[in-house]
Amino acid sequence: QVQLQESGPGLVKPSGTLSLTCAVSGGSISSSNWWSWVRQPPGKGLEWIGEIYHSGSTNYNPSLKSRVTISVDKSKNQFSLKLSSVTAADTAVYYCARRWLSEIRGWGQGTLVTVSS
Amino acid sequence: DIQMTQSPSSLSASVGDRVTITCQASQDISNYLNWYQQKPGKAPKLLIYDASNLETGVPSRFSGSGSGTDFTFTISSLQPEDIATYYCQQYDNLALTFGGGTKVEIK
Repeated sequence: QVQLQESGPGLVKPSGTLSLTCAVSGGSISSSNWWSWVRQPPGKGLEWIGEIYHSGSTNYNPSLKSRVTISVDKSKNQFSLKLSSVTAADTAVYYCARRWLSEIRGWGQGTLVTVSS
Repeated sequence: DIQMTQSPSSLSASVGDRVTITCQASQDISNYLNWYQQKPGKAPKLLIYDASNLETGVPSRFSGSGSGTDFTFTISSLQPEDIATYYCQQYDNLALTFGGGTKVEIK
């Protein structure tokens, strides 16, 4: 059973860059899955940020595309998210996830990132 | 971008009631529609994939139907453990979008 675990700072200053990593265990990141990031502001719904395939191909949410970079490190079996120029509106629980075909079949536990000075 | 309109945003029903949630896509998505359950403080859980396929281990009181632009999610007999927020989700044209969610409460 593939497991996902997010890690990274829980507090980021406004205008800074949010950086998170997702460690994949119990399976290879080079399998036929897309590796995604989804966020959820407190008390609100789910928002897809983007995804990456082990080849390095990426797809991004058009509304965030100018600020998002997702990368993969196959040697460490992990993938990462960078979101630049953050504001308070980027405060959310960030989930890493595994997409197979059209559906998300695995999720990390989520990590709360707060944007505040 | 494909927009997903989910309704209602919340509902209150009694144990044993039949509960129905709808999701409408802004364009034809065939059957690429999935349903998730999210309980407070937890990650979402896949219940239904490809509009009508029950995920392994999910109770049979959950079901889904529809194709094209209109989809329905049903709980045939609401149980106390079904209290959660439910989301629809589509994947098309290299982007994934969620509906706004439906919070289900016990009356």
